[in-house]
Amino acid sequence: DAGVIQSPRHEVTEMGQEVTLRCKPISGHDYLFWYRQTMMRGLELLIYFNNNVPIDDSGMPEDRFSAKMPNASFSTLKIQPSEPRDSAVYFCASSGVGPPGGETQYFGPGTRLLVL
Amino acid sequence: SQQGEEDPQALSIQEGENATMNCSYKTSINNLQWYRQNSGRGLVHLILIRSNEREKHSGRLRVTLDTSKKSSSLLITASRAADTASYFCATPLDGGTSYGKLTFGQGTILTVHP
Repeated sequence: DAGVIQSPRHEVTEMGQEVTLRCKPISGHDYLFWYRQTMMRGLELLIYFNNNVPIDDSGMPEDRFSAKMPNASFSTLKIQPSEPRDSAVYFCASSGVGPPGGETQYFGPGTRLLVL
Repeated sequence: SQQGEEDPQALSIQEGENATMNCSYKTSINNLQWYRQNSGRGLVHLILIRSNEREKHSGRLRVTLDTSKKSSSLLITASRAADTASYFCATPLDGGTSYGKLTFGQGTILTVHP
């Protein structure tokens, strides 16, 4: 298995532009998580899905952020419009069906976003 | 809000020495996990310990959990330069009632000198 795949790996954009981050979870996993990591705030859970349905988006910072999961093998995190304070590393992670053992999350390599 | 907090924030040792990192958390949990993050990479799961376990081993890793003190420790024995990374503990955000919601500490940066 290729693991969790994220694209792009690096993104540099200008303030006000739309940014779309993509994630392909591990096949068979039915939980998908989006995290943001910064030096100041550490690793924060933004939103997570179960069977393609958003379960909890309480970590999404603002309405500028939106996430979708149209099918079991693809998810997007969109920022529109982007701002410099959105600069961070965004991780996607997936996990399998329920405990025991299913709590382990498998992380992608991350997308390093820089908003100028 | 973050539940787990690692201590120390940074640890520098020589190859072959043991490294011990600690994690404290605030509310009752049903499991605790440890992850490693190499520079510029995603997190990698190391080990999970459940609330009814006191100690768990995996290779050179030894994890303990003391639910009465709400703390856990990760011991890496006979460290290697390749162990240089950040180490995070992760706990369920609401103790474990909502599957999958984890909160991560700020991490311990471990540097192992050859």
